[in-house]
Amino acid sequence: AQTVTQSQPEMSVQEAETVTLSCTYDTSENNYYLFWYKQPPSRQMILVIRQEAYKQQNATENRFSVNFQKAAKSFSLKISDSQLGDTAMYFCAFMRGYGGSQGNLIFGKGTKLSVKP
Amino acid sequence: DVKVTQSSRYLVKRTGEKVFLECVQDMDHENMFWYRQDPGLGLRLIYFSYDVKMKEKGDIPEGYSVSREKKERFSLILESASTNQTSMYLCASNQDRFYEQYFGPGTRLTVT
Repeated sequence: AQTVTQSQPEMSVQEAETVTLSCTYDTSENNYYLFWYKQPPSRQMILVIRQEAYKQQNATENRFSVNFQKAAKSFSLKISDSQLGDTAMYFCAFMRGYGGSQGNLIFGKGTKLSVKP
Repeated sequence: DVKVTQSSRYLVKRTGEKVFLECVQDMDHENMFWYRQDPGLGLRLIYFSYDVKMKEKGDIPEGYSVSREKKERFSLILESASTNQTSMYLCASNQDRFYEQYFGPGTRLTVT
């Protein structure tokens, strides 16, 4: 069974600095997808970034980028120029690309990020 | 913008009551999901549906059932609520299985 591990339950960063959130996963699959979701306090969960396992190039979305290391099964999220609005719970998630339960997300336990002024 | 709405933000029910949580999406999505979110455990999939009247169990279906009679609506049912079902419940939907899931605001259910 696939598992997703986020080893940092809580982190903090100063406004305008850079922070990296860690995520590792365990799978024997070769075709899968990885996601980072953000859940601001009392607000809806939204997608931050998505990565296909078959793509070697790391995904980027504005200030958000990932470091995808397939062999190491690592998928970290880097937030550059942190803003107060980045304060949220961040979840790493894994999705199988084929076979049973394809399309189902498996979430890590989350990292609570606080951006301090 | 995709909108996923849930019938209640907060709900308090008594042990043994039958509880209905409703979810509606307005983007004609094929797929809908129910998750449970608990501190320190992340999100866990309860049930999902890839078509009207079709449902499949997720990782923690025990004590829950679902109904999808119309494409836009996916209901989660607690047949006899218990205190260990006190949690935040999140609904999500998407059109393509391998792309972004859009989440509702969540229902915080307390069973006393």
